[in-house]
Amino acid sequence: GNSVTQMEGPVTLSEEAFLTINCTYTATGYPSLFWYVQYPGEGLQLLLKATKADDKGSNKGFEATYRKETTSFHLEKGSVQVSDSAVYFCALSDDAGNQFYFGTGTSLTVIP
Amino acid sequence: DTEVTQTPKHLVMGMTNKKSLKCEQHMGHRAMYWYKQKAKKPPELMFVYSYEKLSINESVPSRFSPECPNSSLLNLHLHALQPEDSALYLCASSREEDSRNSPLHFGNGTRLTVT
Repeated sequence: GNSVTQMEGPVTLSEEAFLTINCTYTATGYPSLFWYVQYPGEGLQLLLKATKADDKGSNKGFEATYRKETTSFHLEKGSVQVSDSAVYFCALSDDAGNQFYFGTGTSLTVIP
Repeated sequence: DTEVTQTPKHLVMGMTNKKSLKCEQHMGHRAMYWYKQKAKKPPELMFVYSYEKLSINESVPSRFSPECPNSSLLNLHLHALQPEDSALYLCASSREEDSRNSPLHFGNGTRLTVT
C-alpha cells in the first residue's frame, strides 16, 4: 500500500542552521509528493510540491527533490529562521489521484 | 490569509448538543474535504465531496453528518458526540478530486471540545 515515513521529531535548531527533514515513501506507480507546513493554531499550508521524478520543488528558501531511486523527498533549507518554527508534513497523492497520504509530521523549533 | 474560511474557530459542546461546522471557499474548487486532526498527529480524512456529491466516506460514525449545499459551501453537522471526538476539524478544497496536480488548500480549522 501507499505510505509516507518522516523522521521523528521534535527537531530544535539554532537560527541560521541548516535544516534537513527526511521523508521516504512507498507507492505504486508515479505519485505526486508534497510538503505542508502547519504553524501553531493554524491549518496546513502547501509549502512545495513535485509531480515527477527529479523534479525539485522550492518555496520560501525550502527545497525538496523527488528521488525515485531512493523513494525520498527530503526537505532542506540552508538557513532557518525563528519564524520557520512549525510542524512539517510530508505527503503523497497516489497514482490515481484518489487518496492523499500524510506522514506523521515533524515539529521544528528554531531558537534565536 | 487562508482562502478557505471555517467557522467557528472554537466550539465547546455537550454530548447532547447539536451543532454545525461551516466551511466556505471562493476559488472555484470542485472538491471539498473534511479532516480530523488530533494533537501531534497528521490529519485523518473523513469525507470528500466532488462536484457537490459525496464521493468518499471513511467509515465515519453517523454522529458526523456532512452536507454540501453548493460548490462553495461545506457543512459538518454534529450530534451526540463523545469526548474523544474533541479535535481540530479541518476543511480543505482542491481544484479537482484528482490530488496529483491539484493540491489541498486548508482552512485554519475549528477547535472542537466535547464535554
